[in-house]
Amino acid sequence: SYELTQPLSVSVALGQTARITCGGSNIGSKNVQWYQQKPGQAPVLVIHTDSNRPSGIPERFSGSNSGNTATLTISRAQAGDEADYYCQVWNSSFWVFGGGTKLTVL
Amino acid sequence: EVQLVESGGGLVQPGGSLRLSCAASGFTFNSYEMNWVRQAPGEGLEWVSYISSSGRLIYNADSVKGRFTISRDNAKKSLSLQMNSLRAEDTAVYYCARQMEYMDVWGKGTTVTVSS
Repeated sequence: SYELTQPLSVSVALGQTARITCGGSNIGSKNVQWYQQKPGQAPVLVIHTDSNRPSGIPERFSGSNSGNTATLTISRAQAGDEADYYCQVWNSSFWVFGGGTKLTVL
Repeated sequence: EVQLVESGGGLVQPGGSLRLSCAASGFTFNSYEMNWVRQAPGEGLEWVSYISSSGRLIYNADSVKGRFTISRDNAKKSLSLQMNSLRAEDTAVYYCARQMEYMDVWGKGTTVTVSS
C-alpha cells in the first residue's frame, strides 16, 4: 500500500502564509491533488497535478511537489480559508488520500 | 450546470444491503471515469471504488472488495454502488466524484448508517 502523511493541524495568522505538507515515498514522481472541505460540505478541488488551479480558485492557492513532500501554500490567508485540506495521489490501481489537515486562521 | 446528485442512503442493519445511485447532468457522462469516496463521521476521506468511462475497468479498495460493486449506465447517465454484507465501519457519507485525471466534480453525498 501507499501512505500519505499530513499534519493534523496548521494555524496561520490572518493575512499570513500557510503551508500544509503531504509526505509520501517519492511523491515527487506522482501527480498530487489538494481538496478543501468545509464542515458539512463536499470536498472542492483547489490544486491538481501538483500546482495547477482549477478555474474559480484564487491565485492565493498554490502547490509544489518534489522528493518526498508535496506542499499546499495559501498566501494572504483569509477567514474563509479555514477548512480541512486533503492531499491525494493515484497509485497504480487505487486512489490514496492523506489523513487531512485542519487549517485554523487566527 | 455540471451536477452530481447521490441518493439511496439510509439506515440498514449489519449484514444488510443497500444500493446507492448518482445521477449526472450537465456534461457528457460517458466520457468520464467515476469514483465513490466515503467519509466516516469525524474522519477523513476514503476512496472506495473506481470505474472507467466504458465500465470495463473497475478498481476497489481492499476494505470493500467482495462486498461492494460499482457499475454505471451511460444511457441513463447514472452511477451505482451495490453494497452487500454491510458492517458498522461502512457508516459514512458516500460521495460520487467525476474523474478526469483528478476528481474535479463531487456530489453533496448521501448518508449510510449501519446499525442494529
